[in-house]
Amino acid sequence: AQKITQTQPGMFVQEKEAVTLDCTYDTSDPSYGLFWYKQPSSGEMIFLIYQGSYDQQNATEGRYSLNFQKARKSANLVISASQLGDSAMYFCAMREYGGATNKLIFGTGTLLAVQP
Amino acid sequence: DTEVTQTPKHLVMGMTNKKSLKCEQHMGHRAMYWYKQKAKKPPELMFVYSYEKLSINESVPSRFSPECPNSSLLNLHLHALQPEDSALYLCASSQERWGSTDTQYFGPGTRLTVL
Repeated sequence: AQKITQTQPGMFVQEKEAVTLDCTYDTSDPSYGLFWYKQPSSGEMIFLIYQGSYDQQNATEGRYSLNFQKARKSANLVISASQLGDSAMYFCAMREYGGATNKLIFGTGTLLAVQP
Repeated sequence: DTEVTQTPKHLVMGMTNKKSLKCEQHMGHRAMYWYKQKAKKPPELMFVYSYEKLSINESVPSRFSPECPNSSLLNLHLHALQPEDSALYLCASSQERWGSTDTQYFGPGTRLTVL
């Protein structure tokens, strides 16, 4: 079973608008972390934001916020005031802390295109 | 600016060549990773070094040989590769902290083409 699901292969958004990228996850480990990465066409994976399973508040980093709904096992990324430079592939990832490994489990990604 | 650097940025090699990919991190991290990424796919973990010891090998073929000379450097030695090994190879590092955010920071990658 897929542990991280990103159901939107591609999305368009107008410049200056907000956009939500969906991510659902599946784990039985009570302790886990959720990450979002941005990958422009240049290839580098850029860390955007982190949410821990015990964090009481939704994480925010500048224009990025994470809409964390633990009961629904969702961790959607919200980008406010989109910019042309936000056009990239976005990956949601999870790390489970119960095991003895430090593996990141990635979703399949969402390709975001910001239109002027 | 990324604090994980990778060289070279691009590499073209024949199936009989021997080459190496290099990765260096300047963040004092104790875990380093190699990933392979095919176009339009998520990265796939290949190897993890923790405190300079190989801790994870994801059943990678022996034509890929990792090496961690010290806590800041990570190499990936390539020999007798196949065309299907053409991909973006990403290096990452993290602090190696348990029970907390242990964010992996990635380098810019090496685009490898095997002819």
